[in-house]
Amino acid sequence: GQQLNQSPQSMFIQEGEDVSMNCTSSSIFNTWLWYKQEPGEGPVLLIALYKAGELTSNGRLTAQFGITRKDSFLNISASIPSDVGIYFCAGHRLRGGATNKLIFGTGTLLAVQP
Amino acid sequence: KAGVTQTPRYLIKTRGQQVTLSCSPISGHRSVSWYQQTPGQGLQFLFEYFSETQRNKGNFPGRFSGRQFSNSRSEMNVSTLELGDSALYLCASSLSAGADTGELFFGEGSRLTVL
Repeated sequence: GQQLNQSPQSMFIQEGEDVSMNCTSSSIFNTWLWYKQEPGEGPVLLIALYKAGELTSNGRLTAQFGITRKDSFLNISASIPSDVGIYFCAGHRLRGGATNKLIFGTGTLLAVQP
Repeated sequence: KAGVTQTPRYLIKTRGQQVTLSCSPISGHRSVSWYQQTPGQGLQFLFEYFSETQRNKGNFPGRFSGRQFSNSRSEMNVSTLELGDSALYLCASSLSAGADTGELFFGEGSRLTVL
């Protein structure tokens, strides 16, 4: 199945450090979204981006919609232990009929050491 | 506001059996999607329903099917189970009141183990 290229695959950091991850695609998307999944839970929506070049923040999280519409970036500042989880990017494309279908990235596992 | 509810949370089946998973979307949400999550393939789109109609389908065999009821609740069925069907099955709902943006709200999933 199709997946977006997400990097890094995993990150092991100290509490207080900043984190950056990115996602790339060979085709363009109308919307980029970032989700976080914790063990035993479903993905939770963190940020949605709707326009090329858009920069959006949600607390310590900041995400950008790449200008080419083929990539997106997520930054987490001053990480804390509860940031632990798997972060997924997802792309949404409107093609023809209406749909909410998402193409997900391969995920970035984040571990934060207190 | 209650979130997306999926039942059962865990189940174990044997090869050849069939399974039905249930999903209750967030109240007022009209679109329901299903995804399969495995370590090897990640999150893969199964199908999407809106107003009791399947409006999009992923690249899965015909053994995977679903439906949506008039109250927006959805079920998915997998027949003739194979070992490779072991996965976390996630249901997600979306408001879909106007232009679709892909903002999905996921349930906790149903973890299926096929022996």
